[in-house]
Amino acid sequence: NAGVTQTPKFRILKIGQSMTLQCTQDMNHNYMYWYRQDPGMGLKLIYYSVGAGITDKGEVPNGYNVSRSTTEDFPLRLELAAPSQTSVYFCASRGVRDRGQRGIQYFGAGTRLSVL
Amino acid sequence: GQNIDQPTEMTATEGAIVQINCTYQTSGFNGLFWYQQHAGEAPTFLSYNVLDGLEEKGRFSSFLSRSKGYSYLLLKELQMKDSASYLCAAQAAGNKLTFGGGTRVLVKP
Repeated sequence: NAGVTQTPKFRILKIGQSMTLQCTQDMNHNYMYWYRQDPGMGLKLIYYSVGAGITDKGEVPNGYNVSRSTTEDFPLRLELAAPSQTSVYFCASRGVRDRGQRGIQYFGAGTRLSVL
Repeated sequence: GQNIDQPTEMTATEGAIVQINCTYQTSGFNGLFWYQQHAGEAPTFLSYNVLDGLEEKGRFSSFLSRSKGYSYLLLKELQMKDSASYLCAAQAAGNKLTFGGGTRVLVKP
């Protein structure tokens, strides 16, 4: 199983450019999440989704947008990139706890983004 | 609000034991996770506590006290490969995790 797949692995953007970070999972998980991790810090939740067609803001949503048209895919859109968005972005997914999966989140390998 | 505190860094010797403490203040708390993250890699699941007490899994154990808002991760028989960051995360309503800043553990020979 591929699990959670993120693309691209690395990207350099110029200030004001836009891009979409891709995330797909093949575990049929309902819940999907986007986090950012700044150097030496923990993860901060940007957006999350409890199922196709449903998204909600996390702790740090400003400057980002998401969509969830299918169970598998949860892309993160950056509009007008700013240096403050330089970070490592992780996508995660989890199944439903009452199916014995204990709500464990499984993470993709991350996208390292620099905005210069 | 949500607040998770854990030490920034700890150093220990190969073969020793290290205990990483985590305190949390989380509205609607319903579980405590520990994740391991090696440098440049994604976090991977280590343990989960929802009830008070100790959960043991091989060399790793995790403890939870809900009344005290306190958890710890115990790493026994430390190996060099255990050098990593350990993230404490509290789960709240809406199945969202709030992460602490992580504790970087350095294992020395």
